Amino acid sequence: SQQGEEDPQALSIQEGENATMNCSYKTSINNLQWYRQNSGRGLVHLILIRSNEREKHSGRLRVTLDTSKKSSSLLITASRAADTASYFCATGVYQFYFGTGTSLTVIP
Amino acid sequence: ETGVTQTPRHLVMGMTNKKSLKCEQHLGHNAMYWYKQSAKKPLELMFVYNFKEQTENNSVPSRFSPECPNSSHLFLHLHTLQPEDSALYLCASSQDPQGGVTNEKLFFGSGTQLSVL
Repeated sequence: SQQGEEDPQALSIQEGENATMNCSYKTSINNLQWYRQNSGRGLVHLILIRSNEREKHSGRLRVTLDTSKKSSSLLITASRAADTASYFCATGVYQFYFGTGTSLTVIP
Repeated sequence: ETGVTQTPRHLVMGMTNKKSLKCEQHLGHNAMYWYKQSAKKPLELMFVYNFKEQTENNSVPSRFSPECPNSSHLFLHLHTLQPEDSALYLCASSQDPQGGVTNEKLFFGSGTQLSVL
C-alpha cells in the first residue's frame, strides 16, 4: 500500500485544547502534505513539508516530519469549533496517495 | 473557491445509464486527477493526466472512462456502473514540473456525490 495512514481515526476535544494527529507511510517521499476536508466537500491544502525539513509552522498549525521513522504529526493549537473536519496526510513521489483521515470534532 | 469546478454536485443513476462527470480548472495547471472517496476507505487515485496525456491508471474498471480534451477540462464517463461505485468523486489539479515528479499541492473541486441504484 502506498498511502499514508492517519492516527487516530477519530478525535474529540474541547474548544481551546490542542489536537494532534499522526501520519505513517511506507515508501520514499519528496514531500508530505496535510489536507482538511469538511463533510461532503473537497479537500483543502493546509501545509506542505519537504523531505529535508523537520518542522514547519503555519498559523496555528505545526507539522513535524521524521523520515527515519516515516512518520509525521499535525498539531492544531488552541482549537476552535470551526476546526471540526477530517484531516488527511498525502505522501508519494510521482503521485500523492491519501489515507482514511482523522475525523476531528471540536466541542464548543 | 479553489478554482476547480465540478459538475454536477449530485448524481443518481441506474446501473444501465450512461453519464459524465465534468471538471474544469481555472488555475492554468498542467496536471489533473480523478480520485474516488468511499466511506471508511482511503482516497483512491483513479486517473492522472499530465500535459493532457494520461500518465496513470490505477487498475480502474473499464466502466470508468476518462477524457482530457485540454489542460483545463477533465471528464469521467460512466457506463453500466455497479452499486459499489457509489462514492464522492473528486477532481484535482496541480502545476507540476516536467519529469513526472510532483512537488506541488493539489487543488480539489467540491466533488460529485454519485449514487448508483
